[in-house]
Amino acid sequence: GAGVSQSPSNKVTEKGKDVELRCDPISGHTALYWYRQSLGQGLEFLIYFQGNSAPDKSGLPSDRFSAERTGGSVSTLTIQRTQQEDSAVYLCASSLSGVYGYTFGSGTRLTVV
Amino acid sequence: RKEVEQDPGPFNVPEGATVAFNCTYSNSASQSFFWYRQDCRKEPKLLMSVYSSGNEDGRFTAQLNRASQYISLLIRDSKLSDSATYLCVVGTGTASKLTFGTGTRLQVTL
Repeated sequence: GAGVSQSPSNKVTEKGKDVELRCDPISGHTALYWYRQSLGQGLEFLIYFQGNSAPDKSGLPSDRFSAERTGGSVSTLTIQRTQQEDSAVYLCASSLSGVYGYTFGSGTRLTVV
Repeated sequence: RKEVEQDPGPFNVPEGATVAFNCTYSNSASQSFFWYRQDCRKEPKLLMSVYSSGNEDGRFTAQLNRASQYISLLIRDSKLSDSATYLCVVGTGTASKLTFGTGTRLQVTL
């Protein structure tokens, strides 16, 4: 597609439930990133995929968070046993390379009630 | 110390004013630099890359000072539509993650 596509755009879930967030990057972009942004806060790095290399998971806040990228394209971020502090906007970005900057999707706004 | 530091503002300026934002970064090995713009409840969008020699895009001028490890953004002839949060972004390595500052909020008024 023309841009980075994320779904769903909004998700309300009950505390303790699992959620899956999807990201479809720009075609041909080898790098894919997940960030989250809490209300009024900066962007917090979560995980980074580059081609076939092992992902950089250094930003994942706990083992309840995991992500995969299938076929070097679509990525899914999974949050298990959601907590209220997981409420945030989850942003996916893709890039040919970090030196060119990223293009972000419009994000998934997650609310845990 | 944060990897990328910015004055959060807000900067309140009248239309037509010139405003400048600065940003400092801690990693001297950083190689790529950007300014992003983020509107309220929207995703960040790339405003411009920052090159060592400095660069200009219309009313926007970006400069990099590697020795002092700071980046600046100058906006001339401010418009109401320039009201947004401006994020300073730094990358290390050729294809690694970018680190975002927390942003400087600009409000342009009539």
